[in-house]
Amino acid sequence: DGGITQSPKYLFRKEGQNVTLSCEQNLNHDAMYWYRQDPGQGLRLIYYSQIVNDFQKGDIAEGYSVSREKKESFPLTVTSAQKNPTAFYLCASSNYGSSYEQYFGPGTRLTVT
Amino acid sequence: RKEVEQDPGPFNVPEGATVAFNCTYSNSASQSFFWYRQDCRKEPKLLMSVYSSGNEDGRFTAQLNRASQYISLLIRDSKLSDSATYLCVGGGPGSSNTGKLIFGQGTTLQVKP
Repeated sequence: DGGITQSPKYLFRKEGQNVTLSCEQNLNHDAMYWYRQDPGQGLRLIYYSQIVNDFQKGDIAEGYSVSREKKESFPLTVTSAQKNPTAFYLCASSNYGSSYEQYFGPGTRLTVT
Repeated sequence: RKEVEQDPGPFNVPEGATVAFNCTYSNSASQSFFWYRQDCRKEPKLLMSVYSSGNEDGRFTAQLNRASQYISLLIRDSKLSDSATYLCVGGGPGSSNTGKLIFGQGTTLQVKP
């Protein structure tokens, strides 16, 4: 089945540790995105990538890093510099054409204590 | 002012009712518009695209008014299973190749028996 997978579903870390969230897609989409969602809030864009080996900062990139070495993979690292890392992280992908609808993975719920 | 604004609700309606959500966007250069549905603690899923000519899918109708910069979603004959948060989404500004989408914070619908 085509789709986007994120792992793990739940992740617990101690403050001060870096953590990497996985995102893989087999939809052959060019673009991939990382969002953060906090309770009662909308999605905020962290980073996005339109092509392999290229990515751009979104609205809240501070404390995060990404890589795009393969078309199907777009891992997100939450560094210790991120002040409030506890959140629901969503990865999405899209293809360019007449519209830009994005398709989401199931998300990773990160808790940092 | 937020780029995409929605009334967060909640909208509490009885089963069988018709309910309408509106959403406004501030960037007149936005090209693509969508409604997504998000269930509690799940990822957003594309409900439908929104076109100037209107778009209907069963009990759901979406409309775009470019002159007034708002989009709407009408749900007829509400079902218990329609209870969810509905996200209004607009295409980002600038080049049509950016593919960025701006998400509203969502409108919560609760359909009661």
